[in-house]
Amino acid sequence: AQSVTQLGSHVSVSEGALVLLRCNYSSSVPPYLFWYVQYPNQGLQLLLKYTSAATLVKGINGFEAEFKKSETSFHLTKPSAHMSDAAEYFCAVERNNAGNMLTFGGGTRLMVKP
Amino acid sequence: DTGVSQDPRHKITKRGQNVTFRCDPISEHNRLYWYRQTLGQGPEFLTYFQNEAQLEKSRLLSDRFSAERPKGSFSTLEIQRTEQGDSAMYLCASSLGSTFLDEQYFGPGTRLTVT
Repeated sequence: AQSVTQLGSHVSVSEGALVLLRCNYSSSVPPYLFWYVQYPNQGLQLLLKYTSAATLVKGINGFEAEFKKSETSFHLTKPSAHMSDAAEYFCAVERNNAGNMLTFGGGTRLMVKP
Repeated sequence: DTGVSQDPRHKITKRGQNVTFRCDPISEHNRLYWYRQTLGQGPEFLTYFQNEAQLEKSRLLSDRFSAERPKGSFSTLEIQRTEQGDSAMYLCASSLGSTFLDEQYFGPGTRLTVT
């Protein structure tokens, strides 16, 4: 069974600093991996997805993630945090051959200090 | 905006009552998903439909839960005899369903509080 683990339920950075949100996956087959963002009182929005093409995936709002098979990781980064990035971020893996149902990690709340 | 909509946005009910939530997907989307999200956790899959057919149900979906999508458009999720443990955000998502990796578009959710 596939699963993802997000290290750090809360991350705090200063505006302009590097954002690094960690996600490790467990999968017996090549995984399809996703990052979603959830703003307060809003639905989840897809930031980016890895589908076994390029290992460095660029998403919206300046975010990117790198798939590292040797480390079973798919960490999310952004070079310079903005106040508007404050939100909850979820890493997810698709359960293969199952109608693209997603298994989510526990989430990381990103706080951006001025 | 023609995104996924859910109704109601908030529901407070007493233990033992029945509740029903509605989800309207994006109009041309064939797949519809229900997830449950408890405080401080990621969403957990409950069930999904391909058009009107319910293709899979999670073990989280006890006998008190039932979901329908009668005409392959909107869907309802009913919880009978609610319990305090049912308190959560119920999320609906839809996708085109043309490939495995269609993006799922999420609605804003229905927050259920069982007192």
